[in-house]
Amino acid sequence: QSALTQPASVSGSPGQAITISCTGTTSDIGIYNFVSWYQHHPGQAPRLVIFDVDSRPSGVSDRFSGSKSGNTAFLTISWLQAEDEGDYYCSSYTSSSTHVFGTGTTVTVL
Amino acid sequence: QVQLVQSESEVKKPGASMRVSCKTSGYTFTTYYIHWVRQAPGQGLEWMGWIHPRTNGATYAQRFQGRITMTRETSINTVYMELTNLRSDDTAVYYCARGVETTTKSYSGMDVWGQGTTVTVSS
Repeated sequence: QSALTQPASVSGSPGQAITISCTGTTSDIGIYNFVSWYQHHPGQAPRLVIFDVDSRPSGVSDRFSGSKSGNTAFLTISWLQAEDEGDYYCSSYTSSSTHVFGTGTTVTVL
Repeated sequence: QVQLVQSESEVKKPGASMRVSCKTSGYTFTTYYIHWVRQAPGQGLEWMGWIHPRTNGATYAQRFQGRITMTRETSINTVYMELTNLRSDDTAVYYCARGVETTTKSYSGMDVWGQGTTVTVSS
């Protein structure tokens, strides 16, 4: 199972919106709505920000939103803030009853 | 509150085995999947496998098949991940993470994570 494909980096100014893509296949994202997104700061454990494509866990800001089209999922961060800097990973359930992470995207707030 | 507490960091020699523990608390142990995820230095997150604590059934990522075993001890609400025949590229931070409830129709989301266990494989 190959990793899902994400852009290596995305940047934006405070207050802007950015979108991170996550491209899979017809064996994962394309057939399941079991996509989740994680924020990861160095030295800390990852934090779940989106599950089931577009659901937010309690306590996660509504500036984070998720969507999906075909084999690609998207994470949008609205009203970008300095605290949003970090690495972001998508993940999907697969037809092999396994999970797979994306390659990761570093978000930089300019 | 829900907590996952992992065992301490380890240094291993190539060819040896490692076993990391993940002690859970604050919820009913047998009703949530547990995942294992690792991050090698400078690399991304890598999913290794998951276990159903009630049945002790586990599914592993193909690249670890034959080298990995996940088990649980229900009396102490603890999950274990053993990796054998270690290589230098197994050097990583290993995380356990709570998945969804085993009775849900979803398979998405790891909502609580352990603090991570650093395993260094070096001769």
